[in-house]
Amino acid sequence: KAGVTQTPRYLIKTRGQQVTLSCSPISGHRSVSWYQQTPGQGLQFLFEYFSETQRNKGNFPGRFSGRQFSNSRSEMNVSTLELGDSALYLCASSLAPSGTTYNEQFFGPGTRLTVL
Amino acid sequence: GESVGLHLPTLSVQEGDNSIINCAYSNSASDYFIWYKQESGKGPQFIIDIRSNMDKRQGQRVTVLLNKTVKHLSLQIAATQPGDSAVYFCAEIAQGGSEKLVFGKGTKLTVNP
Repeated sequence: KAGVTQTPRYLIKTRGQQVTLSCSPISGHRSVSWYQQTPGQGLQFLFEYFSETQRNKGNFPGRFSGRQFSNSRSEMNVSTLELGDSALYLCASSLAPSGTTYNEQFFGPGTRLTVL
Repeated sequence: GESVGLHLPTLSVQEGDNSIINCAYSNSASDYFIWYKQESGKGPQFIIDIRSNMDKRQGQRVTVLLNKTVKHLSLQIAATQPGDSAVYFCAEIAQGGSEKLVFGKGTKLTVNP
């Protein structure tokens, strides 16, 4: 079974631009979560999508948004890029959202975004 | 508030030694904990998990210990190998609560041959 795939793997943008990152979950997985990873802040939760609906959101400004399509693929968008948005953006998929039991999240390799 | 932290940012061990990586958490409502391994250029990979109603769980060469009294979590790796070199993260989740994983900052483990 193929793992979580993320495209592109690397991206360079300039301040003020906007960017869209893509994530394809493992086949059959319907929940997708996004994380930002930086050396200073570590792994921080951005948002989670299930059945095309955002279920959970982290403490990030409104410039960060996402969506999920009917085939469970997800995209995240960052508008008006800032230098501090430079990070590794990780996508994780699971069969379903965690509720009273935890559904293991499988991570993709990430998209390395550099903002100049 | 929610926060998961680590006692040491780096750990260097000799091949064949046992490694212990520590983690402190602050959310007493967290009831599920996971250790992840992240190798260079890859996303985090699940290693082992433990529920709050347990204090120890063993896997293949790995053991996780949970001390709820002091809100401390540790990962023990037996007979550490060069392939174990990576960054290790603990993560917590309060099931039935926010349901989102909260990660620690990570410990970089280097295994010297």
